[in-house]
Amino acid sequence: GAGVSQSPSNKVTEKGKDVELRCDPISGHTALYWYRQSLGQGLEFLIYFQGNSAPDKSGLPSDRFSAERTGGSVSTLTIQRTQQEDSAVYLCASSLAVELGNQPQHFGDGTRLSIL
Amino acid sequence: AQSVAQPEDQVNVAEGNPLTVKCTYSVSGNPYLFWYVQYPNRGLQFLLKYITGDNLVKGSYGFEAEFNKSQTSFHLKKPSALVSDSALYFCAVRDFDTGGFKTIFGAGTRLFVKA
Repeated sequence: GAGVSQSPSNKVTEKGKDVELRCDPISGHTALYWYRQSLGQGLEFLIYFQGNSAPDKSGLPSDRFSAERTGGSVSTLTIQRTQQEDSAVYLCASSLAVELGNQPQHFGDGTRLSIL
Repeated sequence: AQSVAQPEDQVNVAEGNPLTVKCTYSVSGNPYLFWYVQYPNRGLQFLLKYITGDNLVKGSYGFEAEFNKSQTSFHLKKPSALVSDSALYFCAVRDFDTGGFKTIFGAGTRLFVKA
């Protein structure tokens, strides 16, 4: 597709369950980012990938959060043993070569995660 | 450390009037600055960026931003606001302290344009 695609668009699950969020970036974009946004607030950086490598994992809130990217394309963000404070919108973005620094990020519409 | 501040949580303006959404930044080198807009239940959309060159940058939907190095500001402006401009606006700066890979976003400013 033309833009960044995220699935599912909405996810409701019970506390303690694992969830997997998917991001399909724009073709040719080598950089991929995950953010968390709570209640229309600012963006909290989680992790970025350059190709399949994640040089900076410092933003992941806890060891329950993990992310991977395969084939330099699709990425999945996994949250294990979900807690109610994990409820938020999870946004994915992609861009051209991250090392250039001047490339804007292209965002998907996010996955709205609700933990009951 | 690199940072960006949006001092106003909300800006209200009447349709047809000029609008300004403020942003100030703090960087250790030359700033790479961006503005994004977010409509309800959507991801962020890129509006414009300043990397180098002219201080007045023009972007999408008639928006422009003025880079002011002495005031470390990058305010977003539009000469005539539309009701459809009502949205959440984010200023952002590349964090070169960590290699330029991370973008730091401001807290956002909600713009309300009244008809």
